[in-house]
Amino acid sequence: GDSVTQMEGPVTLSEEAFLTINCTYTATGYPSLFWYVQYPGEGLQLLLKATKADDKGSNKGFEATYRKETTSFHLEKGSVQVSDSAVYFCALRHTGANSKLTFGKGITLSVRP
Amino acid sequence: SQTIHQWPATLVQPVGSPLSLECTVEGTSNPNLYWYRQAAGRGLQLLFYSIGIDQISSEVPQNLSASRPQDRQFILSSKKLLLSDSGFYLCAWTDSGANVLTFGAGSRLTVL
Repeated sequence: GDSVTQMEGPVTLSEEAFLTINCTYTATGYPSLFWYVQYPGEGLQLLLKATKADDKGSNKGFEATYRKETTSFHLEKGSVQVSDSAVYFCALRHTGANSKLTFGKGITLSVRP
Repeated sequence: SQTIHQWPATLVQPVGSPLSLECTVEGTSNPNLYWYRQAAGRGLQLLFYSIGIDQISSEVPQNLSASRPQDRQFILSSKKLLLSDSGFYLCAWTDSGANVLTFGAGSRLTVL
């Protein structure tokens, strides 16, 4: 079955540091890939997505590129802010009415001033 | 525009008591609806999903049940809560065929 693997956390960075959060997946076919973010005490919000190989999703300074050859969708940001502190989830989903979203375990990012 | 509402936001219940969490979606029709649970250290687990009224699929055997009495209403229930039911419960919806799930704000359940 489908699965998503995220790097172990938590991650603590200083403000303006470079961020990379690794995500790899196992799936048949060509799923869409997502990064969701969960700020403290809130539900999940879509951060960015990519629907086919070599697509780059971007939002709020974050980027991730759909790499079919390495089955990866790593999240990057050039300069993190304190307000980026949150839990980040990588996920995949196939198209179709019955398709479910498969999540990684999530990783907590803390950014120090 | 579409919105999703969950309530209650926070709930503290004794072991053995019943549970009812409600989720409603506005601004769309015939959505796909989902219940996820987020337990400490365990990521997000899909509990139930529904592609229509009276069409509910359970992903894992457990102490919980789901119902969809109306097109845009999804209810998560239990007759007798266990300590292990504690967690953060998230409802989500999507239009059939669309890829992006939109989540509610979540309901935090503590079972004592």
